[in-house]
This record gives sequence, structure tokens and C-alpha cells, in this order.
Amino acid sequence: AQSVAQPEDQVNVAEGNPLTVKCTYSVSGNPYLFWYVQYPNRGLQFLLKYITGDNLVKGSYGFEAEFNKSQTSFHLKKPSALVSDSALYFCAVRDPNTGGFKTIFGAGTRLFVKA
Amino acid sequence: IAGITQAPTSQILAAGRRMTLRCTQDMRHNAMYWYRQDLGLGLRLIHYSNTAGTTGKGEVPDGYSVSRANTDDFPLTLASAVPSQTSVYFCASSDSKQGSTGELFFGEGSRLTVL
Repeated sequence: AQSVAQPEDQVNVAEGNPLTVKCTYSVSGNPYLFWYVQYPNRGLQFLLKYITGDNLVKGSYGFEAEFNKSQTSFHLKKPSALVSDSALYFCAVRDPNTGGFKTIFGAGTRLFVKA
Repeated sequence: IAGITQAPTSQILAAGRRMTLRCTQDMRHNAMYWYRQDLGLGLRLIHYSNTAGTTGKGEVPDGYSVSRANTDDFPLTLASAVPSQTSVYFCASSDSKQGSTGELFFGEGSRLTVL
């Protein structure tokens, strides 16, 4: 069965410092991997995705993520955090071969960026 | 602005009552989904529809039903609400054409409280 783990409930960083939000997954085959962001009282917004090709993918708002097949990880990163990056981040996976169009989400990681 | 519209935004409901959460999209996406978001559990898929006229069960379908009479609308019905259905409900859609990578577009959510 597909699953996604986000091992940290919360990540705290100072503004201007690099940030990493961790994600590992369990899917047979070659998954599609996604990151979404949720601001307070809003729906989720798509940030970036990995489908195939270069392991480092770039997305919205200066975020990027690195796909590591051997470690089954897809960590979200940003070189320099902003206070406005504070939000809830979700990692998600879809198995195009067996999961149809169903996307499975991790429990979420709250990012807090301090000024 | 194109996107997904959910209604109501918020509702308080007595246990045992019937409730329908409405969802409409104008992006002509074939696939639509209902998720519930609960603290510490992330988003869990309730039901989905790959195309008009078809529906499928997600991770937590019990107590919920859906219909997909046309491409744009995907209502979620609670036949007899129970307190454990207190949650924030998100409707989403994705492009499911061949070759699509299936990132999700979300509505703003419907906050439901069952007393």
C-alpha cells in the first residue's frame, strides 16, 4: 500500500536561514511526488512535483525538492526562509500504475519562520 | 477566476441530520475528489470520481456518499451525521487526461461541526 511519512510535526527556522521539510514515501514502482502548502483557513496549493528526470525540481516561491530513489525521500528545501513561508506543508504521492488518480498525503509539517 | 467553489463555508449540524456539501469546478477537469482534514492525520480521501458518471471509494468512505451527474459538480452527502464527522472537508479536481501528472486543485474548504 502507498504511504507517506513526514517525520516532523513542526520545523522552526530563522528568517534568512535555509530550511528543509522531510518526506519519505512507500510506493511500488515509480511514483509521482508532490508538495502542497496550506495557509491558515485556506485550501491546499500545489508547490512542485517530481515525475521523472532531474532529481532536483524547482517550484513556486523559491522552493525546491530533491528526489532520492534509494532513500525513498522527497525533501522540500529553500535556501533562504521568509517569515511569509510560515504555513503547513504536505507531501503527497500518487502511483500512476496502481493508484489510479488517487493521491495520498502525509500528515503535514508546520513550518514556523521567525523574524 | 477559474477554480473550485465549495459551499457552505461553515456549518453546525445536529447529529442525525442529513447534510450535503456542494462542490463545483469550472476547469473542465475529469477527476474530482473529496478529502477530510483532521489534526495530526493530514488529508484522507473519502470518495473520488475519475469521470462523470463514475465514483469510487477512498480511505474513509463510510457514512458518506457522492454522485457525479456531470463534469462540474461533485456533491458529498452525509446521510445521518455523527460527531466523528466533525472535520474540514476539501473538494479537489485534477486533469486526468492521458499523460497528465495529476496535481490537485483545491477548494477553500467546508468546516463542519456535528453536535
